[in-house]
Amino acid sequence: DVVLTQTPPTLSATIGQSVSISCRSSQSLLDSDGDTYLNWLLQRPGQSPQLLIYSVSNLESGVPNRFSGSGSETDFTLKISGVEAEDLGVYYCMQATHAYTFGAGTKLELK
Amino acid sequence: QVQLKESGPGLVQPSQTLSLTCTVSGFSLTSNSVHWVRQPPGKGLEWMGGIWGDGSTDYNSALKSRLSISRDTSKSQVFLKMNSLQTDDTAIYFCTRHYYDGTWHWFAYWGQGTLVTVSS
Repeated sequence: DVVLTQTPPTLSATIGQSVSISCRSSQSLLDSDGDTYLNWLLQRPGQSPQLLIYSVSNLESGVPNRFSGSGSETDFTLKISGVEAEDLGVYYCMQATHAYTFGAGTKLELK
Repeated sequence: QVQLKESGPGLVQPSQTLSLTCTVSGFSLTSNSVHWVRQPPGKGLEWMGGIWGDGSTDYNSALKSRLSISRDTSKSQVFLKMNSLQTDDTAIYFCTRHYYDGTWHWFAYWGQGTLVTVSS
């Protein structure tokens, strides 16, 4: 099974600060169809997860453009350029190339 | 408007079978897949399995021997049944779906989740 390793497990930020989260996969996530199915989700406290980014770098509809994703093969990054209060919660990377697995999560909290 | 809503018993006894229902609206089950994801309290997300538009199913290999996913398209409902429950099956159970518009938007829609506690 594919293992996704997220770092850091916890991230403390001030409002307006830019932060990055890393997600490393135990296998390449490049699919035979040419796409790379690495996604990022945010789960705010007490809520269901929300899809932020699909296929490495594509913003889901309605997601602010302060979120961006990058990477390839086994190494991926989510960047938030200017954290806002509504961004607090747990971020998960998730792969859909080899069945489906989630990273352990990165909790973004206020410093 | 796409909606998914989970329902089921809040409490299940150890060794018993869990039965959950996901009632959907705003889309057809015959052309979309629905998956189940669970989350133990305070922990991360685990994909359990799903049923595709053609009725075929996929399961997490770790749960496959205990898990069954089915549907009733006339009622827009997807069912999860898992047997031999233990205390570590205590979790919030979510149903979710993705959509395709030329590329895949995996797990783009989620239900609110339903908490299942396994305890005697």
